[in-house]
Amino acid sequence: QVQLQESGPGLVKPSETLSLTCSVSGGSVNSGSSYWSWIRQSAGKGLEWIGRIYVNGGSTNYNPSLKSRVTISVDTSKNQFSLKLSSVTAADTAVYYCARDHIWVGVLLLPFDCWGQGTLVTVSS
Amino acid sequence: QTVVTQEPSFSVSPGGTVTLTCGLSSGSVSTSYYPSWYQQTPGQAPRTLIYSTNTRSSGVPDRFSGSILGNKAALTITGAQADDDSDYYCVLYMGNGIWVFGGGTKLTVL
Repeated sequence: QVQLQESGPGLVKPSETLSLTCSVSGGSVNSGSSYWSWIRQSAGKGLEWIGRIYVNGGSTNYNPSLKSRVTISVDTSKNQFSLKLSSVTAADTAVYYCARDHIWVGVLLLPFDCWGQGTLVTVSS
Repeated sequence: QTVVTQEPSFSVSPGGTVTLTCGLSSGSVSTSYYPSWYQQTPGQAPRTLIYSTNTRSSGVPDRFSGSILGNKAALTITGAQADDDSDYYCVLYMGNGIWVFGGGTKLTVL
């Protein structure tokens, strides 16, 4: 059973870059559909999809509203994928989740079937 | 950018039936958006309830069902129970690798 765990600084200063890593256990980032996503949730707010990476090829897709500041990458040797969000402001304060983007169940698409527990990142000086 | 709409809040009595919807600011939701539904309780990651419109995820009680109603995706809870008191989110696949979540519905069971 695939398990995900986010890690990274819990406090980031405004204008700096937020960096998080998601460690995958119980499976390989190269297995299955090989797409992995980051999602965030501000306090009392809804879920916001940030972007995803396709491990076999390295292609990425980003939320258009965040695209200019987001970079998602993968390190297959460590079985991890990462998020960088630049020029952060208080509005980027949120719980950040990593998740498996999707799997196919026959012809049916099952998105976000596995999630990390989430990690709170606060943007403050 | 397309907005995915959900009712901000809903209330249902125990044992009652409630239908939450997931729409688009422009256009209609169809099965090609692969609508999926998640339940989230405070401090927890979301849990998948329904995927690809109407397929229940493993272990989800059959009182949860998904469908397309008119121009929206719908999540129906039949025989609501106290522990259904949660936030519910839908997500749609917009194509080109882009997912968009709805704003979520806070369901109160009382």
